[in-house]
Amino acid sequence: AQSVTQLGSHVSVSEGALVLLRCNYSSSVPPYLFWYVQYPNQGLQLLLKYTTGATLVKGINGFEAEFKKSETSFHLTKPSAHMSDAAEYFCAVSVPSGYSTLTFGKGTMLLVSP
Amino acid sequence: EAGVVQSPRYKIIEKKQPVAFWCNPISGHNTLYWYRQNLGQGPELLIRYENEEAVDDSQLPKDRFSAERLKGVDSTLKIQPAELGDSAVYLCASSSLLSNYEQYFGPGTRLTVT
Repeated sequence: AQSVTQLGSHVSVSEGALVLLRCNYSSSVPPYLFWYVQYPNQGLQLLLKYTTGATLVKGINGFEAEFKKSETSFHLTKPSAHMSDAAEYFCAVSVPSGYSTLTFGKGTMLLVSP
Repeated sequence: EAGVVQSPRYKIIEKKQPVAFWCNPISGHNTLYWYRQNLGQGPELLIRYENEEAVDDSQLPKDRFSAERLKGVDSTLKIQPAELGDSAVYLCASSSLLSNYEQYFGPGTRLTVT
């Protein structure tokens, strides 16, 4: 079974500051890892994903994440926050076996102040 | 291409009443998922379909929840009777081999049971 822990239910940053959202996972097999973003009253949108290969993954809107097996982490970063980044972010894990279901963390709300 | 379509977007019902949600996945996506997202939590899988077959319904409360995907395209999720604890957002997602297992989410149906 897989699980995801997202540290911090809320993260506040100033516009232009570094964004760091933390995600640790547990999986008995090499996982697939995902970050999704959810804006109010909308569904989830995929930001980026790690399946195999390069451990530093770049996604949309300037976000990136690095898979660190030794730390069982997949933290999400963005060098400079923008007001439009304010949303809820979910880390998810799946087993790489075809159409595997996603196990989500509880989410981190990113607040961006001017 | 059109995204995942869900209706209704919002539903308010009294407890013990029935309710149904509809989902139309992205054209060509043979895998369909229903998730439930409680307030302040990440989505949790209720049921997964491969074409018209429910291949993972282990988390579906079968005493009151039912789902169908008769022609392997659109799907309906039903609750009868609804309880106060069913208040949540119900998300539909779809994926295919061609999308490399990436799940595309609809906007969800927000259910309030009073």
